[in-house]
Amino acid sequence: EIVLTQSPGTLSLSPGERVTLSCRASQSVSSSYLAWYQQKPGQAPRLLIYGASSRATGIPDRFSGSGSGTDFTLTISRLEPEDFAVYYCQQYGSSLLTFGGGTKVE
Amino acid sequence: QVQLQESGPGLVKPSETLSLTCTVSGASISSYYWSWIRQPAGKGLEWIGRIYISVSANYNPSLKSRVTMSVDTSKKQFSLKLSSVTAADTAVYYCARGYGDFDYWGQGTLVTVSS
Repeated sequence: EIVLTQSPGTLSLSPGERVTLSCRASQSVSSSYLAWYQQKPGQAPRLLIYGASSRATGIPDRFSGSGSGTDFTLTISRLEPEDFAVYYCQQYGSSLLTFGGGTKVE
Repeated sequence: QVQLQESGPGLVKPSETLSLTCTVSGASISSYYWSWIRQPAGKGLEWIGRIYISVSANYNPSLKSRVTMSVDTSKKQFSLKLSSVTAADTAVYYCARGYGDFDYWGQGTLVTVSS
């Protein structure tokens, strides 16, 4: 099982700031099969990034993903009020799909 | 517009079987993999498994002995059955489209396991 560790657990920020979220895998993620999701209270997760760096349909370009192997990053260039949420990374390079524990941006 | 909607009992007794259905609109159910994911209150996400039509299914090994998924193409629905449930299975259950990453999700349905 590939364990994904997200850090930090919580980030306290202000609108307009740059955000960098980390996701570290316990072993290399095959072919950069790494996705990022945003989840707001009472809502289903929303796909932001797939393939480590490709933005999903309709996702603003202030969201970007990078990384390979065991270290991945989600960056929000300028935090908007609607970006306050929990962010999860997820790997799909192995037969058992796993999610990280999440980072809350407040 | 692709939409997914979960349905099923919100309360299941311990040791019984949890049964949920996801109805798909706006996409061909025969053309994609479909998945179930759950989230206990205040916790993270756990992938349960995925199915393609009824010819290919993959389950989380931790749940594999208790999970069955199926697809009804005529009704544009896919289903989850989880047997021998305990309080640890209490969660919001989501259906989603995708083999690896999930681009469309249902709104989620809360299933509580309690007598």
